[in-house]
Amino acid sequence: GENVEQHPSTLSVQEGDSAVIKCTYSDSASNYFPWYKQELGKRPQLIIDIRSNVGEKKDQRIAVTLNKTAKHFSLHITETQPEDSAVYFCAAPQAAGNKLTFGGGTRVLVKP
Amino acid sequence: ETGVTQSPTHLIKTRGQQVTLRCSSQSGHNTVSWYQQALGQGPQFIFQYYREEENGRGNFPPRFSGLQFPNYSSELNVNALELDDSALYLCASSGRGDSYEQYFGPGTRLTVT
Repeated sequence: GENVEQHPSTLSVQEGDSAVIKCTYSDSASNYFPWYKQELGKRPQLIIDIRSNVGEKKDQRIAVTLNKTAKHFSLHITETQPEDSAVYFCAAPQAAGNKLTFGGGTRVLVKP
Repeated sequence: ETGVTQSPTHLIKTRGQQVTLRCSSQSGHNTVSWYQQALGQGPQFIFQYYREEENGRGNFPPRFSGLQFPNYSSELNVNALELDDSALYLCASSGRGDSYEQYFGPGTRLTVT
């Protein structure tokens, strides 16, 4: 089955700085890589995703990059704001599709 | 467009009892996946239902079972509850066209004492 590892487990940044979270996956057949943001006591929210046929995708201040050869993908948040503080999860599917295996999460704290 | 809803919000059960959790999928979605999220951890895939059939299962014992109804809503049943079953149970719906995007419900917090 798929194995997803996520680093770092915690990340503290100054407001306005960038944050980068990295994930590796094991199943070379995986073709879809979403990122979720989960605030305390709330549901995970899909913030961005990427399919295996592209290397990078951007949406305003967030971007995701994918390296299929190395089997890793990263989330980049630029110009961080206090409302970016949350736990972020990466995920990859078991083979193709969307039966997701999640990473362990990264707790991001943006200090004003 | 109606989002994913789950009921109940919270539930307290005793070890050995049985529980049923419910999920209504987002309008237009035909696939429901269930996940278990223990405190401080990422969600773990339990199983997925597509058009009323189980379509994949994670590493959970048979006492975790499910159903999907013709309107694509779904139930998760857990028999013989154990203390370790205490967690947030999340359902996620997907399936509009060829999209893989999954949208989560608010979850049911289950406490087993």
